[in-house]
Amino acid sequence: GEDVEQSLFLSVREGDSSVINCTYTDSSSTYLYWYKQEPGAGLQLLTYIFSNMDMKQDQRLTVLLNKKDKHLSLRIADTQTGDSAIYFCAEKSDRGSTLGRLYFGRGTQLTVWP
Amino acid sequence: EAQVTQNPRYLITVTGKKLTVTCSQNMNHEYMSWYRQDPGLGLRQIYYSMNVEVTDKGDVPEGYKVSRKEKRNFPLILESPSPNQTSLYFCASSVRLAGGPYNEQFFGPGTRLTVL
Repeated sequence: GEDVEQSLFLSVREGDSSVINCTYTDSSSTYLYWYKQEPGAGLQLLTYIFSNMDMKQDQRLTVLLNKKDKHLSLRIADTQTGDSAIYFCAEKSDRGSTLGRLYFGRGTQLTVWP
Repeated sequence: EAQVTQNPRYLITVTGKKLTVTCSQNMNHEYMSWYRQDPGLGLRQIYYSMNVEVTDKGDVPEGYKVSRKEKRNFPLILESPSPNQTSLYFCASSVRLAGGPYNEQFFGPGTRLTVL
C-alpha cells in the first residue's frame, strides 16, 4: 500500500495554533484528506484538498499542500479543548489496481491543555 | 438520518468461536469497506466492496471473510477468531470508489472486539 506518515502526538495550550504534519508517497493522488476521530467515535471528514490547490481555508482550519515535497499540513487556529482528538491524514490512490482506495496515516493524537 | 451502523458495538469472545459483525448503510452507497484500528498502526483496510457481489482484499485480509449480497449490508465474518484479531473495527461507505471527483467516506461508530 501507500505510505502516509504523521507524528503520533501533539500537545498545545488552549488558544494557540496547532499544526499537524503529514507526508505521503503517491504523487498521483488527486485528493488528500484530514479526518477527525473523537474518543469512542468513528472517523469524520474534517476537510480535504484537491491536488491542484496549494491552500484551502475553512474557518479555523487551514490546509497547506506542497505537492513537490508530498507534504500536507493542517493548521487549527485558536485551538480549543474540544479539538482534542486523533487526526488522520489520508490520500486517495489513483493508481490502477488500488484506484480510489484511501490510505491512512497512523493518526496524530492532539491534546489541548486549558 | 444518513448513517452507517455496526453491531455489536462491543464483543468479547473466545478463540475459535465464529462471529459476525454487521454493517449497514442507508445512503445507497456503492462502496463499502472494513478497517481495523490498532494503537500506533492507524487504520488498515481489511476488505472492500465496490458494489453488490463484488468484494476485494485490502491490506490485512487474513482471517476475515466478507459478503455483499445486498447494497446496504456488508458483514465481516471471523470464522475462527484468534487473539491477534483483538482490535477496533470500523465499517465505512461512500458513494463510489472510482477515481475522479472526491467522495467522502462515512464511518460507523466502531466495534471493539476482544478475543480471549
